[in-house]
Amino acid sequence: NAGVMQNPRHLVRRRGQEARLRCSPMKGHSHVYWYRQLPEEGLKFMVYLQKENIIDESGMPKERFSAEFPKEGPSILRIQQVVRGDSAAYFCASSPLAGDTIYFGEGSWLTVV
Amino acid sequence: DAKTTQPPSMDCAEGRAANLPCNHSTISGNEYVYWYRQIHSQGPQYIIHGLKNNETNEMASLIITEDRKSSTLILPHATLRDTAVYYCIVSLGLNTGNQFYFGTGTSLTVIP
Repeated sequence: NAGVMQNPRHLVRRRGQEARLRCSPMKGHSHVYWYRQLPEEGLKFMVYLQKENIIDESGMPKERFSAEFPKEGPSILRIQQVVRGDSAAYFCASSPLAGDTIYFGEGSWLTVV
Repeated sequence: DAKTTQPPSMDCAEGRAANLPCNHSTISGNEYVYWYRQIHSQGPQYIIHGLKNNETNEMASLIITEDRKSSTLILPHATLRDTAVYYCIVSLGLNTGNQFYFGTGTSLTVIP
């Protein structure tokens, strides 16, 4: 059973460009969570999605960030007009049921130059 | 969500048991205690969770005090590969939509 798959693993963007990070949950999991980890800091919850629905986006920055989890395909975290402060590791996790144990992917490292 | 308090860092000799404490004095009756760890530059890894009873799996043991205000994660024979940041989290569990909030964790260093 494949784990949570994230791609790209590493992404370099210039300031002002867009970054798209993809996450395929574990098979049978319909709940997806995105976390951000800034250098030398802890994991911060960003958003929780179920298929086609955003359940909790309380941790998402109000501007430039958006997330979706369509009926078909992976979940996408989109960052528009990236700035240097967006440089971080972005982790996706999934669970089979709401509130169940969550399992993480290996992360996507975004570097903004 | 109940808050957790963990020591920022600990050392453990290789081959010895590593005992990582966690305080969660405001935990409610239906909140679970979860443990994850994050090895440098990797995604967090689930270790174990429990509600009231002590739990054991192939990775670790979880000891929860009777009043549930604290718990201890035990790695019975620590290896160098166990060097990581360990996070203790409380969560409401199944079908609650309750997110997992990570604190600063305990940085465990296993010493040869």
